[in-house]
Amino acid sequence: AQSVAQPEDQVNVAEGNPLTVKCTYSVSGNPYLFWYVQYPNRGLQFLLKYITGDNLVKGSYGFEAEFNKSQTSFHLKKPSALVSDSALYFCAVRGYTGTASKLTFGTGTRLQVTL
Amino acid sequence: ETGVTQTPRHLVMGMTNKKSLKCEQHLGHNAMYWYKQSAKKPLELMFVYNFKEQTENNSVPSRFSPECPNSSHLFLHLHTLQPEDSALYLCASSQLGLALSANTGELFFGEGSRLTVL
Repeated sequence: AQSVAQPEDQVNVAEGNPLTVKCTYSVSGNPYLFWYVQYPNRGLQFLLKYITGDNLVKGSYGFEAEFNKSQTSFHLKKPSALVSDSALYFCAVRGYTGTASKLTFGTGTRLQVTL
Repeated sequence: ETGVTQTPRHLVMGMTNKKSLKCEQHLGHNAMYWYKQSAKKPLELMFVYNFKEQTENNSVPSRFSPECPNSSHLFLHLHTLQPEDSALYLCASSQLGLALSANTGELFFGEGSRLTVL
């Protein structure tokens, strides 16, 4: 069975500074990895995914993620944080149910960006 | 606008009530999902429907009853719930490819239905 771990409940960063939100995964076979963001009282929004190819994946809102197979990690990054990036971030890995995908999510990391 | 619409956005019900949550997707997808999001817990996959057929039921209590009449609509019928069932219920959809490799797997979520059981 697949799983993801997000070791930090919360990450605090000052606006303008780089940010990293950590994720490690466990899956048999090639991993399909995802990041989602959730703003207060909203559903989850897709940010980016890693399927194959370049280890650095670019996504929405200036976010990117680095896939590291040897460390089984898929950390989310942004060079310069904005206050509006403050939200709950979820890492996920794909599995299957029948022929449908199913995503297993981490526990989430709350990102707090301050002025 | 994500293309997945959930109603109602907020629901308060007593333990003896019967209510339903509705989800509709306008993306032409053919798989639909219910997830439960409780405070301080990981998102829990509850049910998956694949071309209207249920392919996953993650040991969900029978007081939750899903219904998928077609690929665009998904319901979650609620009956004699418990206060610990209070949570945000998220619906999602995805597109299945003809081959598994064609299905990159991202899910598109609705805004959620916030349920409070008194």
